[in-house]
Amino acid sequence: NAGVTQTPKFQVLKTGQSMTLQCAQDMNHEYMSWYRQDPGMGLRLIHYSVGAGITDQGEVPNGYNVSRSTTEDFPLRLLSAAPSQTSVYFCASSPAPTRQADGYTFGSGTRLTVV
Amino acid sequence: GENVEQHPSTLSVQEGDSAVIKCTYSDSASNYFPWYKQELGKGPQLIIDIRSNVGEKKDQRIAVTLNKTAKHFSLHITETQPEDSAVYFCAASIGYSSASKIIFGSGTRLSIRP
Repeated sequence: NAGVTQTPKFQVLKTGQSMTLQCAQDMNHEYMSWYRQDPGMGLRLIHYSVGAGITDQGEVPNGYNVSRSTTEDFPLRLLSAAPSQTSVYFCASSPAPTRQADGYTFGSGTRLTVV
Repeated sequence: GENVEQHPSTLSVQEGDSAVIKCTYSDSASNYFPWYKQELGKGPQLIIDIRSNVGEKKDQRIAVTLNKTAKHFSLHITETQPEDSAVYFCAASIGYSSASKIIFGSGTRLSIRP
């Protein structure tokens, strides 16, 4: 049981490049989300999904796209990277929203630097 | 929307002493309050949580209290140990709908002095 797997762990991009951060979970969780972590600002929600085919915006969605074609995978796409997107990105999953007491399981993070 | 404020941002305590981290939330409809611990280079890990129908919850050296009237909740760690050094995040969420999401505080870096 691997939990939540994020790839890559580190990435350096040039301004304007695009890339996809991968997130996969093997716990059959319905709820998945992406957060970014910046110094002094905690974890801010980018996008989330309550099930396959359903996504919604969080607090800071601009510059990011997501899709949820399967229960297991929830990739985050940066269409045109900007230095302001330099951050550590975490993917998290949990069972169905009605079971929030189970909390989130987080991946180990992707450290992204945009130069 | 929900806003969660967390204090202090850094906290240093002597090994064996207690540590307290406080959070306030803005939306009175919030009903689920988890706490996460993040060790260096790792993702946050759930350590304890509390629902709005409970005033206090304990798990060994960790306890969380909730004051719904004042809209604040706190994490208490007793008999601190070196392995308690980490960043701690509080969070609040309104459940139980498909639109529910967890909003995090800005984090507290806890250091345990030997």
